[in-house]
Amino acid sequence: DAKTTQPNSMESNEEEPVHLPCNHSTISGTDYIHWYRQLPSQGPEYVIHGLTSNVNNRMASLAIAEDRKSSTLILHRATLRDAAVYYCILRDISNFGNEKLTFGTGTRLTIIP
Amino acid sequence: DTEVTQTPKHLVMGMTNKKSLKCEQHMGHRAMYWYKQKAKKPPELMFVYSYEKLSINESVPSRFSPECPNSSLLNLHLHALQPEDSALYLCASSRLAMNTEAFFGQGTRLTVV
Repeated sequence: DAKTTQPNSMESNEEEPVHLPCNHSTISGTDYIHWYRQLPSQGPEYVIHGLTSNVNNRMASLAIAEDRKSSTLILHRATLRDAAVYYCILRDISNFGNEKLTFGTGTRLTIIP
Repeated sequence: DTEVTQTPKHLVMGMTNKKSLKCEQHMGHRAMYWYKQKAKKPPELMFVYSYEKLSINESVPSRFSPECPNSSLLNLHLHALQPEDSALYLCASSRLAMNTEAFFGQGTRLTVV
């Protein structure tokens, strides 16, 4: 499985944008980039995913580099409820029937009031 | 209904006990997963079921025995566990396509005494 690298921790002020980086230099053409987050004492929850183009949804935006070797999760206006561990994960779509969702170490995001 | 329900929420068992964890989803997902998560660590994949058949076993010790009796249910049977098996056990489900999201339960907090 292609690996991802994320900073261990980040801090951001409340109501400001947050940019969470992820490096995936060994990404293959069939890897989708997924982001999940895990709030304290909860199971992980899906945030967003993309393949090549930038993506937006109600929770966040995903900016993907042109060479796809890195991506950035953008929270447009962080709230205290966004404090969580954020995981960047690659999923290979050619692996049909051999489903895997493998978590890396993630980034622990702290929001400062 | 976008829920994955895990029972029980908490479980304390002795090393000679046999117990089972249960996971249920009614989203029609044909991929189901078991993860183990130790404190301050990312979830570790244990098993994956695709179409009710075991497709991935990440070299998990035989004291953990998964079962998928139907497309909505996933069980994890536990026998002769060790104290180091104490962890949060998470269940997840998804459609069988890599560009879709996975849904996670809240987990079962297992303590082995």
